Amino acid sequence: DAGITQSPRHKVTETGTPVTLRCHQTENHRYMYWYRQDPGHGLRLIHYSYGVKDTDKGEVSDGYSVSRSKTEDFLLTLESATSSQTSVYFCAITSTGQKDTGELFFGEGSRLTVL
Amino acid sequence: AQSVTQPDIHITVSEGASLELRCNYSYGATPYLFWYVQSPGQGLQLLLKYFSGDTLVQGIKGFEAEFKRSQSSFNLRKPSVHWSDAAEYFCAVGAWTGFQKLVFGTGTRLLVSP
Repeated sequence: DAGITQSPRHKVTETGTPVTLRCHQTENHRYMYWYRQDPGHGLRLIHYSYGVKDTDKGEVSDGYSVSRSKTEDFLLTLESATSSQTSVYFCAITSTGQKDTGELFFGEGSRLTVL
Repeated sequence: AQSVTQPDIHITVSEGASLELRCNYSYGATPYLFWYVQSPGQGLQLLLKYFSGDTLVQGIKGFEAEFKRSQSSFNLRKPSVHWSDAAEYFCAVGAWTGFQKLVFGTGTRLLVSP
């Protein structure tokens, strides 16, 4: 158990409204990631963080922003949700111990529907 | 740029039969390779990984995968499939530099028939 909690697990919202998804980890890992999963696309990286207040863009970052004000929380915000952002969002962490080899550990996902 | 191809979108296998899921990757250096499994409504669970050493790696649930550099492949195998193996399987490639940006394939959905 990687100690990752995502909230909310399910959300339905309307086009144009802001949405924030939260990822909380209990393991004090440095690296955190947000992916989205869509049929036919697998998982695609949205944003990632390599420390408090240190974030960078992934391959599908348009329309998303992130924040990390403390180690345990990584927030993904859709400033103005669109129907194309209907997806399942996964948070992940990488452990960085001496014997680790970079595998990602995933949360259980947040299903977002934008009407 | 890194990329991963999983050519089979769906595969149906009879229970007890052997399984091979294909994965081809494109990467300029020695890759870190992973197979993940996702049951419906769940997150992704790591099955196995390769980053160096023996090219045949063993994973959980009786799965194994073989890294073939000459073919840029990392196919997943299981000698005898169980009904509980029905799920979606993702291959991923990355480069571990103290940080990991995995690139995933589009997935293969495994159906197990009685």
